[in-house]
Amino acid sequence: AQKITQTQPGMFVQEKEAVTLDCTYDTSDQSYGLFWYKQPSSGEMIFLIYQGSYDEQNATEGRYSLNFQKARKSANLVISASQLGDSAMYFCAMREYGGTSYGKLTFGQGTILTVHP
Amino acid sequence: NAGVTQTPKFRVLKTGQSMTLLCAQDMNHEYMYWYRQDPGMGLRLIHYSVGEGTTAKGEVPDGYNVSRLKKQNFLLGLESAAPSQTSVYFCASSSYGSGRAKNIQYFGAGTRLSVL
Repeated sequence: AQKITQTQPGMFVQEKEAVTLDCTYDTSDQSYGLFWYKQPSSGEMIFLIYQGSYDEQNATEGRYSLNFQKARKSANLVISASQLGDSAMYFCAMREYGGTSYGKLTFGQGTILTVHP
Repeated sequence: NAGVTQTPKFRVLKTGQSMTLLCAQDMNHEYMYWYRQDPGMGLRLIHYSVGEGTTAKGEVPDGYNVSRLKKQNFLLGLESAAPSQTSVYFCASSSYGSGRAKNIQYFGAGTRLSVL
């Protein structure tokens, strides 16, 4: 079973509007972390935001916020006021701490976001 | 301000050739990882290390070997390259523990490898 599921292969948004990228995860661990990374066309992996499983408040980093719904096992990324430079591939990832995971990241397959002017 | 540095950035190999990818980090991180990225498959873990002198297999380890002789370096080796190893390879490093700062994995810029 996939541990990280991103059901949106591609998303389009108008510049200055908000967009939500979906992510659901599967784990039996109580302690884990959820991440979003951005990969522009240049190829590098850029960290955007982190949410710990015990964090009570949703994480925010500038224009990025993570809508964490623990019971539903979802960790959606919300980008407010989209900019042309937000056009990129976005990956959701999970870090587990139990057993022999040793903190490795498991990635989803990604969502390509295109921002239209 | 280097962070995680990977060399080389590009490489073309012939089937059966060998090569080593070097990853260096200057953040004193204990944990280091090698991933490969193939189209439509996200990133998959090849090998990882939780400290100097220790390595372990990840999700797709076959055909690769690694070494971590120094804390700051993590080497990925291909002993006999195959076309199936054509991919983009990323190295990452992180600390470990609770909280945001100790959990972020920082990535290198990637190595684009083609095996003909």
